[in-house]
Amino acid sequence: SQQGEEDPQALSIQEGENATMNCSYKTSINNLQWYRQNSGRGLVHLILIRSNEREKHSGRLRVTLDTSKKSSSLLITASRAADTASYFCATVYGNNRLAFGKGNQVVVIP
Amino acid sequence: GAGVSQSPSNKVTEKGKDVELRCDPISGHTALYWYRQRLGQGLEFLIYFQGNSAPDKSGLPSDRFSAERTGESVSTLTIQRTQQEDSAVYLCASRTTGSQETQYFGPGTRLLVL
Repeated sequence: SQQGEEDPQALSIQEGENATMNCSYKTSINNLQWYRQNSGRGLVHLILIRSNEREKHSGRLRVTLDTSKKSSSLLITASRAADTASYFCATVYGNNRLAFGKGNQVVVIP
Repeated sequence: GAGVSQSPSNKVTEKGKDVELRCDPISGHTALYWYRQRLGQGLEFLIYFQGNSAPDKSGLPSDRFSAERTGESVSTLTIQRTQQEDSAVYLCASRTTGSQETQYFGPGTRLLVL
């Protein structure tokens, strides 16, 4: 089944540094979304990139999509302590179901 | 405006008991989803509602799990004869009609089966 799969890493960075995480998926997609989850509860939508887009920016977030490699990356620039969270990519397929990866834990040290 | 709400926030139950989890989607959102998230894992799709119908129930893990939606609004996920492996956070999401629309998630219900 189609599923976003983040690189299995936990990032620990200093405040002000950039954080990059990657995601790969298995089948064709309509779009790919990134979500943030704080303290294991509700997810907050960060950004959506469509399959015909290669790069998208939103504030301090930069997302790239390479459909030939079936991969995406999320870059958080100038990180802040409040960016500490788990980040998930999700691919959309059939009935707009979201298939999530296992997530990347990011810890920003003040 | 109001977001997706879920209740209870936390539920502790004994093995073998039934539980009901509630989701109130954003008003006007026709699509509603239930997901399950086990500790340290990503989200697993459970069921999708379009209006009051559930065209996709393929993620329900067993016949102990069921869900319904009424008035194109509130949805209830019921787990019968709970097992310890049912312990997880159950998340509900809703969205408007449209193929590219974002899903908006509730805060989840943390279920612990002892």
